[in-house]
Amino acid sequence: DADVTQTPRNRITKTGKRIMLECSQTKGHDRMYWYRQDPGLGLRLIYYSFDVKDINKGEISDGYSVSRQAQAKFSLSLESAIPNQTALYFCATSDPRQGGTDTQYFGPGTRLTVL
Amino acid sequence: EDKVVQSPLSLVVHEGDTVTLNCSYEVTNFRSLLWYKQEKKAPTFLFMLTSSGIEKKSGRLSSILDKKELFSILNITATQTGDSAIYLCAVVPNAGNNRKLIWGLGTSLAVNP
Repeated sequence: DADVTQTPRNRITKTGKRIMLECSQTKGHDRMYWYRQDPGLGLRLIYYSFDVKDINKGEISDGYSVSRQAQAKFSLSLESAIPNQTALYFCATSDPRQGGTDTQYFGPGTRLTVL
Repeated sequence: EDKVVQSPLSLVVHEGDTVTLNCSYEVTNFRSLLWYKQEKKAPTFLFMLTSSGIEKKSGRLSSILDKKELFSILNITATQTGDSAIYLCAVVPNAGNNRKLIWGLGTSLAVNP
């Protein structure tokens, strides 16, 4: 079983719709992250959370919100989707207490298309 | 501004060739450097480098860090078509608890049979 899972894996929606992407992990990591990846722009951080009560904005948080429901769950919402939010979205987890590193482990990604 | 620059941006080789991918960085406080391989979907972790001059190896892949010259290289020997992927480099700054990775844009490697 995958340690980091994302649902849905693919989603096509229309402009103005509210969308939620979900991430779950069984690694027991405290830290969770949401990234988007666009061709030529690399991975860009949207939000990150270092524990259940901690939420931080990343490089490109405008138009997004997150919820850390539990240590194992971190969801990303697009309140009113727009076409330039079409991208590949990744969730990742890390925990520097495990092995003394802060290596991030990625979910399989969600491909979101906003028409 | 902290940044990570990878080169080349893309590379096409033949099976059996050896390739060297570069990652240079400018980061205020450096903690470690990570290499990832991304095929069709999610990046998968390859190496973490913290100390200069210590080579990390995994099969045909190896990597080394130079903290004086601020770069790392990823070597792949005897390349195979399955090595075709985007190779991503990221730096972990040492800024207390507020450590966010700084990513390069990646090197796209294509290995032709």
